[in-house]
Amino acid sequence: QAVVTQEPSLTVSPGGTVTLTCGSNTGAVTSGHYPYWFQQKPGQAPKTLIYDTTNKHSWTPARFSGSLLGGKAALTLSGAQPEDEAEYYCLLYYGAGVFGGGTKLTVL
Amino acid sequence: QVQLVQSGAEVKKPGASVKVSCKASGYTFTSYAIYWVRQAPGQRPEWMGWIRPDNLNTRYSQSFQDRVIFTSDTSATTVYMEVGSLRSEDTAVYYCILGQWLGYWGQGTLVTVSS
Repeated sequence: QAVVTQEPSLTVSPGGTVTLTCGSNTGAVTSGHYPYWFQQKPGQAPKTLIYDTTNKHSWTPARFSGSLLGGKAALTLSGAQPEDEAEYYCLLYYGAGVFGGGTKLTVL
Repeated sequence: QVQLVQSGAEVKKPGASVKVSCKASGYTFTSYAIYWVRQAPGQRPEWMGWIRPDNLNTRYSQSFQDRVIFTSDTSATTVYMEVGSLRSEDTAVYYCILGQWLGYWGQGTLVTVSS
């Protein structure tokens, strides 16, 4: 089974910019993996922020954006807010979905 | 508004089965697939598969395809997920999610497997 990798933890200053990445052990991540990004806060269900690489839901703050970067899927947060502190998971499709291990984002 | 409301928490013994329901409202039930994801305590989510209520087509993750069954009742606008031969590692919160864009999540159902 494919393995999806994410940075275990990242820290960003309030108002700063940070990029989270999502890689695959099978090679470069492409739009054909339909990358998704989820935000999860303690005790809550995950919330889908990005689907199909770049698409946002109506509830996705404009400061979040999705892309492909250097063979990986990427989630960029521009202008971090304290409420963005959370665990972020990516999901890639290989016929079936595989989640990454998550990135704990600290806003400090 | 779109809602997915799941059944309540369950406690099961190893070897038993559990059936979790997911009642949908606020949209045309047969228009979109329902996906299932589970998350064990402190772990990453795990993709389980999906069911299309319009034609009852299903897709299961290889990790689950021998023990999990998705079903759908259009008259009740409800999708069901049944896991058999439960073991302690199946202790998790199980979520149903609407559509391929994974937009709307149910509130989750905690299934605890313990002797």
